[in-house]
Parts: sequence; C-alpha cells; structure tokens
Amino acid sequence: AQSVSQHNHHVILSEAASLELGCNYSYGGTVNLFWYVQYPGQHLQLLLKYFSGDPLVKGIKGFEAEFIKSKFSFNLRKPSVQWSDTAEYFCAADGSSNTGKLIFGQGTTLQVKP
Amino acid sequence: GAVVSQHPSWVICKSGTSVKIECRSLDFQATTMFWYRQFPKQSLMLMATSNEGSKATYEQGVEKDKFLINHASLTLSTLTVTSAHPEDSSFYICSARVAGYEQYFGPGTRLTVT
Repeated sequence: AQSVSQHNHHVILSEAASLELGCNYSYGGTVNLFWYVQYPGQHLQLLLKYFSGDPLVKGIKGFEAEFIKSKFSFNLRKPSVQWSDTAEYFCAADGSSNTGKLIFGQGTTLQVKP
Repeated sequence: GAVVSQHPSWVICKSGTSVKIECRSLDFQATTMFWYRQFPKQSLMLMATSNEGSKATYEQGVEKDKFLINHASLTLSTLTVTSAHPEDSSFYICSARVAGYEQYFGPGTRLTVT
C-alpha cells in the first residue's frame, strides 16, 4: 500500500539551529514528492516539490529537500531556523501520473524557541 | 498566488442534521478539487476527488451517501455532510488545481456535531 511516514512528530529547536525533518515513502513506481507547511491558523502552503531531475530541491524560505531513491526518503532541511518557522510540516506524495491525489505523512510540529 | 476559500470556517450542528461546506477558487478556474479530512494532531486524509461536471470519485472507506460532493462550476465545489453524527466532527479541507499544476489549499472548515 502507498504510504508516507514522518519520523519526528514534535521537534523543538532554538533559533539558528539546523533542521532536518525525515520523510519516507512507500510507493509503487515513480513518485512525486512534496513538502507543505501550515502556519498556525493558516492554510497549507507548498514549500517545495520534486518531480524529477536534480534530487536536491530548493524551496521557499530557505528550505531544501533531498530525494534519495535508494532510501525512499525525501528529508527536509534548513541550515538555520527562525522563530517564524514554527509551524506544522507535512510530507506528501503523488504518483507519476500527477493526479493530485496526495498521500500525506503524519506531520511534524516544529517549535522554534527565540 | 492562487487563493482558495472555504465557507463557513466553523460550523456547529446538531446530530442528524446536514451541513454544506463550500470551496471556491477565487482567481482561477479549477479543473479538479479535492476534499480532505484532518483529525486533531493528525494528517490529512483524502476523501474524494471532484471534477467539474462529473461525479466525484471517493476514496476507499468514504461513504459517498454521507459525504455528498457537487462540483457545479470551475470555481465551486460543495461538500454536504448528511445526517451528521459526532464522529463526523473534524476539520475539512479542500484544495483546487488546474490539471498538472500546483494544488492550492483552502483554510479549512471545522465541523462540530453535538
């Protein structure tokens, strides 16, 4: 069965610390991968996506993610977090046909302390 | 970026009544709209996919007679929760996109059934 899992449910960091959020997927065939962010009280926003090509993807707000096919992973990274990065982060996947039917991971709550 | 709205943002209804939730794409015409359900502190689960002018397709385990979806135009989809019960209480989120392009999410509707 297709699934997406996120290892970290709740992460607490101090400002300027580096961030890495894990995401693993189980999918038959080619997969498209996404990271979304949900700030408190706001709607989901796309941080970055991977469809094909360079496995290191850069997104908005200084975030990046690396697609490692051999590890079925798509981890999200940021070298130096800010208090404003406090939010819920979701990894999601879609099949190569790009139907838009996203399967989401459980989400990771990131709390950045000033 | 594109904007998707939902109305109402919060609704409380009595058990046995029906509730309609609207999802609108405000500045683009969406060929496809999706409905997700999010339980507290959990991930988003895709409920159904809605294409303008055709019947919605429901994910496995979603009761199509309970969750009626109508996609009357390229900018409006509605989800009606019929004969609502307390277990239907949840956060319902819609998203909209033009085929092959980015999916934009609405702010969500919190449904509480008493």
